[in-house]
Amino acid sequence: QKEVEQDPGPLSVPEGAIVSLNCTYSNSAFQYFMWYRQYSRKGPELLMYTYSSGNKEDGRFTAQVDKSSKYISLFIRDSQPSDSATYLCAMSGGSGNQFYFGTGTSLTVIP
Amino acid sequence: EPEVTQTPSHQVTQMGQEVILRCVPISNHLYFYWYRQILGQKVEFLVSFYNNEISEKSEIFDDQFSVERPDGSNFTLKIRSTKLEDSAMYFCASSGGQAENIQYFGAGTRLSVL
Repeated sequence: QKEVEQDPGPLSVPEGAIVSLNCTYSNSAFQYFMWYRQYSRKGPELLMYTYSSGNKEDGRFTAQVDKSSKYISLFIRDSQPSDSATYLCAMSGGSGNQFYFGTGTSLTVIP
Repeated sequence: EPEVTQTPSHQVTQMGQEVILRCVPISNHLYFYWYRQILGQKVEFLVSFYNNEISEKSEIFDDQFSVERPDGSNFTLKIRSTKLEDSAMYFCASSGGQAENIQYFGAGTRLSVL
């Protein structure tokens, strides 16, 4: 069983739409949950991170973690063409530990 | 804003040759990592490094790979005898002290083995 599962998409939405990106995981020891954005042939860029369960909001982005369901989400409100990228979820068990990445979801926001 | 820098951005090498990929982590970070991403696949962990020694490594990180922190700023990944399947993007990352597990990534080095 894979550590982290993420629907690779591709996902295509019109500008202004609400986007929902999701990951599931199997390891209950994960405590840190991250979302990265990756443009083509570039490094992952940290968007948001959450420790343990709960919600976190930053501008148009909201991250949610449900540890009981082993399910995390990233919502993007009022999506913009500049949001077009691959979104990677990542998680780990603690400080200094390796990150486990999802496959990434490719998002295209159409003007 | 501090960032992780990697050089070169693209490395082309012949099969069997040795390559060294270089990284300058964020200056006050204590943990360093290498990941790779084969085209179209997920980012995979290779190795983590703390206090001048390897703290964790994956199955991918076999005897062909080694890491070193030769001075106070650089962190290198060496592949001794490259194989075609080593062609990938290699990302360096670093994270802060014990209280912070957030890893910041460099832009990557694209390694092409011919």
